[in-house]
Amino acid sequence: DVKVTQSSRYLVKRTGEKVFLECVQDMDHENMFWYRQDPGLGLRLIYFSYDVKMKEKGDIPEGYSVSREKKERFSLILESASTNQTSMYLCAASKLGGELFFGEGSRLTVL
Amino acid sequence: QKEVEQDPGPLSVPEGAIVSLNCTYSNSAFQYFMWYRQYSRKGPELLMYTYSSGNKEDGRFTAQVDKSSKYISLFIRDSQPSDSATYLCAPRGTTSGTYKYIFGTGTRLKVLA
Repeated sequence: DVKVTQSSRYLVKRTGEKVFLECVQDMDHENMFWYRQDPGLGLRLIYFSYDVKMKEKGDIPEGYSVSREKKERFSLILESASTNQTSMYLCAASKLGGELFFGEGSRLTVL
Repeated sequence: QKEVEQDPGPLSVPEGAIVSLNCTYSNSAFQYFMWYRQYSRKGPELLMYTYSSGNKEDGRFTAQVDKSSKYISLFIRDSQPSDSATYLCAPRGTTSGTYKYIFGTGTRLKVLA
């Protein structure tokens, strides 16, 4: 099975701080995704990447950026964290058109 | 209108009950329909999927798709406390050649021992 590892399970940051969320997958899948999950809103796609150094905006990219320098690693960056970015962040990986394999999530609280 | 609608629950049932979880969707172009299960404080994991209309059975779980009414169902027979989780329906479509997964908000299920 694909393993998707998110390095930080719980983070607490202050408003205005720069935040890095790291995600690594171990099965050489082409596609990687970042979602946020909020009660009543479900999973919303922030960014995805279908190849190294390639990225596409999802449905809610504002306030976020991403980096994919290596195939196995996909980072989500919050340049200046705000309280409305308090959420559960989920990274996923997939082959082209295949099922999504998710990490365990990173719960971010911005104070 | 949201692309996928799902009752958030919670749905509480006694152990052994038959559970029916449902979604409706609006985009007739969706072809693959997935169900993900998410335990508390964990990431979602794929439970099962169906292609186009019809039924698919896997053990105690049956997924059903009715494309004519844009209705997706997941049935759980002989429900167990270990089935307590949030269930997310996720139709898959394509946008400009890119696969897009649309997730429902999830239904929280509690199976009481």
